Amino acid sequence: QVQLQESGPGLVKPLETLSLICTVSGGSTSSGAYDWNWIRQSAEKGLEWIGRIYSSGFTHYNPSLKSRVTMSIDTSKNQFSLKLNSVTAADTAVYYCARTTIGEGTDYWGQGSLVTVSS
Amino acid sequence: DVVMTQSPLSLPVTVGQPASISCRSSQSLLFGDGNTYLNWFQQRPGQSPRRLIYKVSNRDSGVPERFSGSGSGTDFTLRISRVEAEDVGIYYCIQDTHWPRTSGQGTKVEIK
Repeated sequence: QVQLQESGPGLVKPLETLSLICTVSGGSTSSGAYDWNWIRQSAEKGLEWIGRIYSSGFTHYNPSLKSRVTMSIDTSKNQFSLKLNSVTAADTAVYYCARTTIGEGTDYWGQGSLVTVSS
Repeated sequence: DVVMTQSPLSLPVTVGQPASISCRSSQSLLFGDGNTYLNWFQQRPGQSPRRLIYKVSNRDSGVPERFSGSGSGTDFTLRISRVEAEDVGIYYCIQDTHWPRTSGQGTKVEIK
């Protein structure tokens, strides 16, 4: 069974960098059959895709966040990560990692990680 | 971005009765490979979204047969043939055709 698990600090200060890691089990991040997503959910904006990364390291970012986002992948650890810099209170949200099966669609999500931006 | 519009946003239903949720996209969701990447997810309180339907009408493994999806182009529907108490939650349509992926606002299903 595929499982994804987010990890990282739950509290980040304004203007600092939010960093999260997603650890995948039951599936391989080195497979070309998938892309790997970061998504956030807040009451104000609903579900918002942040970016996606392939096993090759190729990325697509949401244009609305592109200037502040960096994603990377470590296939040896079966993990991928998110960095969002210069955060503000508007970045407070539950952050999810999720898998998309190419040719089928987004399928498995992690349980989510609440990140609060506050001093 | 592709705008996904769901209706209704709130859906009180009686156990045993049918329910239907509409989802409309601002652009066609037909992809160049011939597939239409429209999914339906259920999110129960305190949980992450769980996929019910993929590519418009394909039910995921373990999803009860009372859930079905239909539609094409820009107009899609999720139907529950007979609502059960465990179906309470928020339902989202999510498109994977265009980047960035986008979702509808969510439809809250509750039992009357």
